[in-house]
Amino acid sequence: QITLKESGPTLVKPTQTLTLTCTFSGFSLSTSGVGVGWIRQPPGKALEWLALIYWNDDKRYSPSLKSRLTITKDTSKNQVVLTMTNMDPVDTATYYCAHSPKSADYFDYWGQGTLVTVSS
Amino acid sequence: AIRMTQSPSSFSASTGDRVTITCRASQGISSYLAWYQQKPGKAPKLLIYAASTLQSGVPSRFSGSGSGTDFTLTISCLQSEDFATYYCQQYYSYLLTFGGGTKVEIK
Repeated sequence: QITLKESGPTLVKPTQTLTLTCTFSGFSLSTSGVGVGWIRQPPGKALEWLALIYWNDDKRYSPSLKSRLTITKDTSKNQVVLTMTNMDPVDTATYYCAHSPKSADYFDYWGQGTLVTVSS
Repeated sequence: AIRMTQSPSSFSASTGDRVTITCRASQGISSYLAWYQQKPGKAPKLLIYAASTLQSGVPSRFSGSGSGTDFTLTISCLQSEDFATYYCQQYYSYLLTFGGGTKVEIK
């Protein structure tokens, strides 16, 4: 079965760079059409899509955060990494990674999420 | 970016009620719409994709309809486990967007 799990720091300081890793199993990111995305949710607020990487290394970013985000994949390790530069307290949120099925950009399997707090 | 507006933002209902949640897109998105359910402290769960296709394992009391700009999620007979927050998401544009959420509370 498909599983995903996010890992990374729980606390980062303002201006620092956040690096989150999504480690998955049950599928291959070399399978045509498949993607892995990142979505975040500030406490008590709505979901916000951040980025998506596809099997062919095509990448999509939220326009409002594009300058701060980088998404990469390591197919051999079954991992997707998201980096976000210049972190600010407003970036405090639970960050989720999720599987996107063949050629369809919705998310059918989600990780449990990881809460990242930005504070000095 | 395509803006997704859900209504209402929250409401109270009783077990057994038929409830409907609305999602409106700022431009036409054909049927490229998904619905998710989220319970406190948990990851979202996919309920419906392609506006009306039920994800495997989701109870048949959930249904979705609509195309273009107006969509609805209906729960035909609300169960205790259905009290949660529901989100729509468009994937017509490769710049994905979610609605603001609708919280279904116990009356």
